[in-house]
Amino acid sequence: DTEVTQTPKHLVMGMTNKKSLKCEQHMGHRAMYWYKQKAKKPPELMFVYSYEKLSINESVPSRFSPECPNSSLLNLHLHALQPEDSALYLCASSRTATGGWDEQYFGPGTRLTVT
Amino acid sequence: ELKVEQNPLFLSMQEGKNYTIYCNYSTTSDRLYWYRQDPGKSLESLFVLLSNGAVKQEGRLMASLDTKARLSTLHITAAVHDLSATYFCAVAETSGSRLTFGEGTQLTVNP
Repeated sequence: DTEVTQTPKHLVMGMTNKKSLKCEQHMGHRAMYWYKQKAKKPPELMFVYSYEKLSINESVPSRFSPECPNSSLLNLHLHALQPEDSALYLCASSRTATGGWDEQYFGPGTRLTVT
Repeated sequence: ELKVEQNPLFLSMQEGKNYTIYCNYSTTSDRLYWYRQDPGKSLESLFVLLSNGAVKQEGRLMASLDTKARLSTLHITAAVHDLSATYFCAVAETSGSRLTFGEGTQLTVNP
């Protein structure tokens, strides 16, 4: 099973809402990633978790709060977002977090619209 | 800081023609990935290139890696409409935990 799943597929939220994105993998991978992708641009790394610990935060605003409850699950909690945060949010996982040396497997993404 | 440049950024080609997309990167790396992305969809892994001289082929696509020149190519042979998509190369840093993506090549294959 080389699948990374993400829910929901689509999310529309107001600027005062709190919502969460969920990502799950059952490949035994110990690294998980959140990326943000704007239209017609490459994915931008947001966070990296390695062995359930946050190892990289790419200076992401605090309105985005990641959480890794266990090795299979990654959440992204959203609060007080801005319209410019509207994007495709991609989750990925890899065997370890040794950069790109282990292939990253991407989930289908969550299309987020902030109104 | 690792920089990755793809060209062209936009490519419109006719069915049946051949073309090459180039991916240059700025620092040493021995691992490079090619992805395909359809509009509104996630990234689909096409090729993983692990060492200098690596060449991989799948259908009408062939990718190669020259680590000395810091260059990878994605060659399209006899293009068909179904290949229309955006293609990204991504390079692994030799240290750290990052993939650095190129800007992407938006490919349109016209009948």
